[in-house]
This record gives sequence, structure tokens and C-alpha cells, in this order.
Amino acid sequence: QSVLTQPPSASGTPGQRVTISCSGSSSNIGSNTVNWYQQLPGTAPKLLIYSNNQRPSGVPDRFSGSKSGTSASLAISGLQSEDEADYYCAAWDDSLNGSNWVFGGGTKLTVL
Amino acid sequence: EVQLVESGGGLVQPGGSLRLSCAASGFTFSSYSMNWVRQAPGKGLEWVSYISSSSSTIYYADSVKGRFTISRDNAKNSLYLQMNSLRDEDTAVYYCARVVLAAAANWFDPWGQGTLVTVSS
Repeated sequence: QSVLTQPPSASGTPGQRVTISCSGSSSNIGSNTVNWYQQLPGTAPKLLIYSNNQRPSGVPDRFSGSKSGTSASLAISGLQSEDEADYYCAAWDDSLNGSNWVFGGGTKLTVL
Repeated sequence: EVQLVESGGGLVQPGGSLRLSCAASGFTFSSYSMNWVRQAPGKGLEWVSYISSSSSTIYYADSVKGRFTISRDNAKNSLYLQMNSLRDEDTAVYYCARVVLAAAANWFDPWGQGTLVTVSS
């Protein structure tokens, strides 16, 4: 069971806008920045969004991130077939048991 | 080009040991902290271990504490993960990832292509 909670699946048709949520707590999302990673089928994860809402160079502006309180969201507008992938949120967690990075369980995005 | 290449994966029996390596190129390796992250077959990502640029700070996930040891050789631009007392549940693709720090934020970029570790009798 992952520390950060994501829906296991999401879907949309080409051109649609979809959002993926990521819920955490005060020790992780509530006090630290959130990153999103995209994992295309059979490949390694790739940085998609960092520091809540920043896009690395080369990532289309169709992808956007936001954070509010202990939750974060990834939005994909103008959905394309190549966006079909697994998406993971991640954050640093400062808990009483020790500090470490935590991931969401991942959301499999299907483009219908 | 910034690149990370893992090696050392393979089939090992329960209770056995394996040493993973991650070769870095295209950036000043000694200036960056590094991580190992794993992904069991069909499962999500799990952070495993962290090492700071000078090896002064090291963290482990509870699931591997006492069994795995992370280390690095800045002269060889290499990161390592010594895995002992391996269990079935350690079966996964292991990725190394560079940690980028900025202000109060940090993220993993890039990631290597991964190396598969299979623990089975």
C-alpha cells in the first residue's frame, strides 16, 4: 500500500482533458514539493513535472501540475495516443519514523 | 548527454547476494546525490536507498535496511548497491536515478534503463 494515493486507472479520448489526483498527508505533500513521472510501456520512468508545477525542457505544455494542501494533481490537455502510460506522483516524506521519498501507486492512463 | 547505465542484475537464489552498479556519464557525478528505486513486476515504483554526493548521508527504505548497502566511487563515476540476504520480494527492476536539488525542492532526473533482479530457487 503506497503512502501517496492515486487512482489506479484513468482514461480519455483524443483531444480530451484528463486529471490524475495524488493524495498524501502533512508529512509529505503538505510540507514538500510534488513531482510527477511518466513511464511509457516497457521503458524507464521519466521526469514529467517537478516542484509541483514546473515542466522540464522538452515536456509539452499540455502537461501541467498543481498542489493544494495535502493533494496534488496532474492535468493533461489535448490528450494524444502517445500519452498512454503509467503516471506516478512522488514527494519527500518527513515522518517521525524517518525521512524518505514516497511514491503513489501509479495511474494507468488509457487513451480510448 | 546525461546518462545512467545499470548493470549487475540476474537470477539469484533466496538468501544470496548480488551487487548492482550504475555508471554515470555526461555530468559531474561527484556533485550529485543518487538514489536506487525498484519496481516489482507489474507493480509501482518503490524508493530503495539514497546517498549524498560525498557519501556522508545515506538512507534506506525499511524493507531493505540491514540487508542492502549503497555506496559510490566518485573517481569512477559509479554508484553501487550491495544486496545481501535476498528474498523473493526483492525481485524487481532496479533503477538508479540522479537527485536534482533546488531551493527546497528535489526530484529524480534522469533515470537509468534499469537492471532486472530475480530472486528464485
